[in-house]
Amino acid sequence: DAKTTQPPSMDCAEGRAANLPCNHSTISGNEYVYWYRQIHSQGPQYIIHGLKNNETNEMASLIITEDRKSSTLILPHATLRDTAVYYCIVRAPPVAGGGNKLTFGTGTQLKVEL
Amino acid sequence: KAGVTQTPRYLIKTRGQQVTLSCSPISGHRSVSWYQQTPGQGLQFLFEYFSETQRNKGNFPGRFSGRQFSNSRSEMNVSTLELGDSALYLCASSLGSRESEQFFGPGTRLTVL
Repeated sequence: DAKTTQPPSMDCAEGRAANLPCNHSTISGNEYVYWYRQIHSQGPQYIIHGLKNNETNEMASLIITEDRKSSTLILPHATLRDTAVYYCIVRAPPVAGGGNKLTFGTGTQLKVEL
Repeated sequence: KAGVTQTPRYLIKTRGQQVTLSCSPISGHRSVSWYQQTPGQGLQFLFEYFSETQRNKGNFPGRFSGRQFSNSRSEMNVSTLELGDSALYLCASSLGSRESEQFFGPGTRLTVL
């Protein structure tokens, strides 16, 4: 699985959009970009994933650059409850005989403040 | 739909002992993965079971083992505990298909004294 680089920490004002960047310059053609977050001492929570196109769900939007070497997770209206460590993960899809291994990096600690 | 459950939530053991942790996946999920989280090493993949077979394994010593039952419930065992095994052990379940996301349980906090 490709390696990812994220800033160690970011701050965001409540109600504003939080834009979390991720660099994955060695990503391969069949590798997906996944985002998870972990609120203190809880299990990680799935947010969103994508391959090439931008994706949006009820939690966030994922913008992947055309060359796929970087992506941005956008939380449109951050709240205090969005304070967490956000992990960007790149992984190949499970193929026959393969698996669901996720390789977590150090992530970005997002702090949402009043 | 009930989420992933892990038991026990907290555990204290002494060096040299062994421990068994349990994970019940979301109903219908066939894949169960285990992760170890420590302040120094972060979140690290231990192994994954799918339909009672281990199909992926991380870089952990043989003291760490697991199994999965026919109802998809999984257990992991750590023998001859060391101080460094103190960690949060997380279980994640998924359908196991191509893009399926993983749903994590709350974890078991293991302290080795």
